[in-house]
Amino acid sequence: AQSVTQPDIHITVSEGASLELRCNYSYGATPYLFWYVQSPGQGLQLLLKYFSGDTLVQGIKGFEAEFKRSQSSFNLRKPSVHWSDAAEYFCAVGAGNQGGKLIFGQGTELSVKP
Amino acid sequence: GAVVSQHPSRVICKSGTSVKIECRSLDFQATTMFWYRQFPKQSLMLMATSNEGSKATYEQGVEKDKFLINHASLTLSTLTVTSAHPEDSSFYICSARGRGKETQYFGPGTRLLVL
Repeated sequence: AQSVTQPDIHITVSEGASLELRCNYSYGATPYLFWYVQSPGQGLQLLLKYFSGDTLVQGIKGFEAEFKRSQSSFNLRKPSVHWSDAAEYFCAVGAGNQGGKLIFGQGTELSVKP
Repeated sequence: GAVVSQHPSRVICKSGTSVKIECRSLDFQATTMFWYRQFPKQSLMLMATSNEGSKATYEQGVEKDKFLINHASLTLSTLTVTSAHPEDSSFYICSARGRGKETQYFGPGTRLLVL
């Protein structure tokens, strides 16, 4: 069965420090992979996505993610975190027809300390 | 581009009443729309998938008679929570996807509180 695991429920980093949020997936075929960010009481904003090609993908707000098939991982990174990055981050795998059915991880809450 | 709106953003209703939530794609034609439910501090759970002009496909455990979904046009889908009860209180989020596209774009969500 398809699944997504985000091992870290909550992460705190200092402003200016680097960030890596982990995501592991289980999917039989080549996955469509996504990272979304959600601010409190808001919908989800797409940060980046991977469908094929270059395994290092660049997204908005300075985020990037690397697809590693051998590790079934799609970790999200940012070299220098800003206070405004504090939010909930969701990794998702697209299953089914054209990856239409999104299966989300449990989410990682990011706190940024000054 | 790829903006999705939801209305209302928040609604409070009495137990036993029905509530309709609208989801609109503002700048693209959404051939497929999805409805999710999110409990506090939890992830999103897909409730149903609707294709324009077709009946919605509901996920296991979601009552189709309670959560009525209509996707009558390429820019509008509605979710009606019928005979709402306090346990239906939640954050409902829709997303939309264009024809042949893999990416879903999400609305801002609707907070439903049933008293």
